[in-house]
Amino acid sequence: SQTIHQWPATLVQPVGSPLSLECTVEGTSNPNLYWYRQAAGRGLQLLFYSVGIGQISSEVPQNLSASRPQDRQFILSSKKLLLSDSGFYLCAWSVGTRGEAFFGQGTRLTVV
Amino acid sequence: AQSVSQHNHHVILSEAASLELGCNYSYGGTVNLFWYVQYPGQHLQLLLKYFSGDPLVKGIKGFEAEFIKSKFSFNLRKPSVQWSDTAEYFCAVNAGNQGGKLIFGQGTELSVKP
Repeated sequence: SQTIHQWPATLVQPVGSPLSLECTVEGTSNPNLYWYRQAAGRGLQLLFYSVGIGQISSEVPQNLSASRPQDRQFILSSKKLLLSDSGFYLCAWSVGTRGEAFFGQGTRLTVV
Repeated sequence: AQSVSQHNHHVILSEAASLELGCNYSYGGTVNLFWYVQYPGQHLQLLLKYFSGDPLVKGIKGFEAEFIKSKFSFNLRKPSVQWSDTAEYFCAVNAGNQGGKLIFGQGTELSVKP
């Protein structure tokens, strides 16, 4: 069966420090991969979407970037964190074009 | 741009009350529709989905949703809520011509009083 791993679960980082959140999927090939940010009252905001290795669609201009070095690995990064980058980040995967996505446990990022 | 609106941000009900959560989207073509639920402290889970066919779809835990194409709506319903239904509910839409891209609404927090 398919599983998704996202780590770390919580992270506290100082302003100006770099960020790297990792997400890996097991049990499927060529998944679509997503990074979302969840904020209270604002739902899930799609940050990045990838249909294959090296193919990244950025949905919202911001201080973050994403990379997909391997088929089932999706990394969310920042060179210098801002206070406004604090939030709950979710990785998800799907297959095909219907959008039925499955989510990881999420990472709570606090920038101090 | 494609968008999804959930009209109720916070709904408070007593046990056994009926529930209806609204969801509207702004895309005129073929869509795939979803409701997800996030129970306190847990990850997002798929509650139900609509791809095609019968516009009334049934999901887990007695939930159902109705796709009304003319209204661009996909409202979630449950005849009788339980305390354990306390959670945040998210509507999501995949536009048929955008691959697997999935756009979410703002979410509705449901609190059920025992």
